[in-house]
Amino acid sequence: KNQVEQSPQSLIILEGKNCTLQCNYTVSPFSNLRWYKQDTGRGPVSLTIMTFSENTKSNGRYTATLDADTKQSSLHITASQLSDSASYICVVTTPTDRDDKIIFGKGTRLHILP
Amino acid sequence: NAGVTQTPKFQVLKTGQSMTLQCAQDMNHEYMSWYRQDPGMGLRLIHYSVGAGITDQGEVPNGYNVSRSTTEDFPLRLLSAAPSQTSVYFCASSYSGDQPREQYFGPGTRLTVT
Repeated sequence: KNQVEQSPQSLIILEGKNCTLQCNYTVSPFSNLRWYKQDTGRGPVSLTIMTFSENTKSNGRYTATLDADTKQSSLHITASQLSDSASYICVVTTPTDRDDKIIFGKGTRLHILP
Repeated sequence: NAGVTQTPKFQVLKTGQSMTLQCAQDMNHEYMSWYRQDPGMGLRLIHYSVGAGITDQGEVPNGYNVSRSTTEDFPLRLLSAAPSQTSVYFCASSYSGDQPREQYFGPGTRLTVT
């Protein structure tokens, strides 16, 4: 069964610290993997997209990695800021006969404390 | 560009009532989708459209109808609201020419059915 599992479910860190969020997937075949940031009361916003051939992608203080062999991805946040408090959602796309199927993880809730 | 807009932002319905959630995008995107987001679950696809006049069911279509008469608009209709439809609803759009295809989400509609 195609699944996307994220860990931890929630995380609390102090402002200025680094953190890493994990995503494991069992999706096959694989098309691409995205990380979204979702602020409370808002829609998800894309941070990074990686295809099979890419193993790292950065967007400012956000760096995503992908290991397609082990089907694992991580999102590393450097020098966290209060505005990083949000849910981070890992999303994997798989091609089908009709169209791409998009599978969402449940997200990691990140709280940054001053 | 306003991007993806959704109205209303909040709605309370009684069981059995019907209503339409509005979604519009001004980016000339062919693809549009409706998702629901429930606590502890990933986003789930309700219905989607690959262009004007073409719609298809997603993962959880029961109790919802859609139509796509124009490229810009993709309304979601609840025929007879049930408490199980209490959720946050997100509309998203994407451009078929992008590879991988980037999804842009609206701000969401929070629906409560009593």
